[in-house]
Amino acid sequence: GENVEQHPSTLSVQEGDSAVIKCTYSDSASNYFPWYKQELGKGPQLIIDIRSNVGEKKDQRIAVTLNKTAKHFSLHITETQPEDSAVYFCAASLNYIPTFGRGTSLIVHP
Amino acid sequence: DSGVTQTPKHLITATGQRVTLRCSPRSGDLSVYWYQQSLDQGLQFLIQYYNGEERAKGNILERFSAQQFPDLHSELNLSSLELGDSALYFCASSAGVSGRAYEQYFGPGTRLTVT
Repeated sequence: GENVEQHPSTLSVQEGDSAVIKCTYSDSASNYFPWYKQELGKGPQLIIDIRSNVGEKKDQRIAVTLNKTAKHFSLHITETQPEDSAVYFCAASLNYIPTFGRGTSLIVHP
Repeated sequence: DSGVTQTPKHLITATGQRVTLRCSPRSGDLSVYWYQQSLDQGLQFLIQYYNGEERAKGNILERFSAQQFPDLHSELNLSSLELGDSALYFCASSAGVSGRAYEQYFGPGTRLTVT
């Protein structure tokens, strides 16, 4: 089955800095790659996604890149704010079923 | 607010018991997914229903079962509960049709504690 590795497990940045979270996947047939943000006591919230036929997608301060050849994808958050502090999960989906990474705890210090 | 609702929010029960978790998908969504989130296993897919029919199965134990009703709400039944079943259980929904079929929206979860 699919295996998704996510790094780092913890990321601490100063407000205004950029944050990058990286994921690799094993099954080249995976074709949809969502990113979720989970705040304490809440369910994961879809923040951005990318399909396998696209290399990059941006939404305001958030961008995702996908390298299908290398089977890795990354989340980039620019101008981080304290409210960006949360756990972020990547996932690789095959036949609509996602396999999730173990999560990155992002801490943004004011 | 994702539009997906789950009840109850918290559930405390004893080993060997049976519980039912309930999920109402977003309005118009046909597909429902169930997930288990624990510290050691992370976020794991359990089962998917689409318009009342089971569509895909993941790491779901035989003691667990689910169904989706004609009004599209879904229930996850957990029986012969063990301490290791303590976890957060999430429901997610998606449109289930081409174009938006991939985008899943998660509910707030049910925290199950087995004592």
